[in-house]
Amino acid sequence: DGGITQSPKYLFRKEGQNVTLSCEQNLNHDAMYWYRQDPGQGLRLIYYSQIVNDFQKGDIAEGYSVSREKKESFPLTVTSAQKNPTAFYLCASSIGVGGLNTEAFFGQGTRLTVV
Amino acid sequence: GQNIDQPTEMTATEGAIVQINCTYQTSGFNGLFWYQQHAGEAPTFLSYNVLDGLEEKGRFSSFLSRSKGYSYLLLKELQMKDSASYLCAVREDDYKLSFGAGTTVTVRA
Repeated sequence: DGGITQSPKYLFRKEGQNVTLSCEQNLNHDAMYWYRQDPGQGLRLIYYSQIVNDFQKGDIAEGYSVSREKKESFPLTVTSAQKNPTAFYLCASSIGVGGLNTEAFFGQGTRLTVV
Repeated sequence: GQNIDQPTEMTATEGAIVQINCTYQTSGFNGLFWYQQHAGEAPTFLSYNVLDGLEEKGRFSSFLSRSKGYSYLLLKELQMKDSASYLCAVREDDYKLSFGAGTTVTVRA
């Protein structure tokens, strides 16, 4: 089945460690996104990528890094420079420029807890 | 980032109608989306507007005025399962997709 998959669903890390969150899609979508959601809050954009081998900072990119080496994959690394990394992380993808059905589809999210 | 504003909370009675407003400011508008999100789950797509006017999908309708930077989501015949957070999102020309803080709708019996 086509979809967007995030793994793992729950992740625990010690403070000061880098951690990478996986996001894979088999929808042949060009655009991919990473968001962070804190309790009772909306979605804040971390990074986005319009096309493979290209990405741009969102509104809260500090302490995070991404890569887009393959169309299907957009991993997010939460570095030790991120001061408050505990949050719910959501990955999304959309068809990109020129597509008719251009809404973004979301993965099920990764809940990261740093202790 | 973009300035996307929507009310924090709304409460309505089962069977009633609720209208959630969203205002935005952007330099290169390329579409407005509404999503529904239940607690602890991923957002699900509800509606999309890129031209001015009303889009209707069953009990849900969404309106857009690009000149006013304004949209609303109309929920009709409210059901208990409609209790959720409703997110307004704006896409820019470079495909940057930004969300408002969300409106929590509580449906009472």
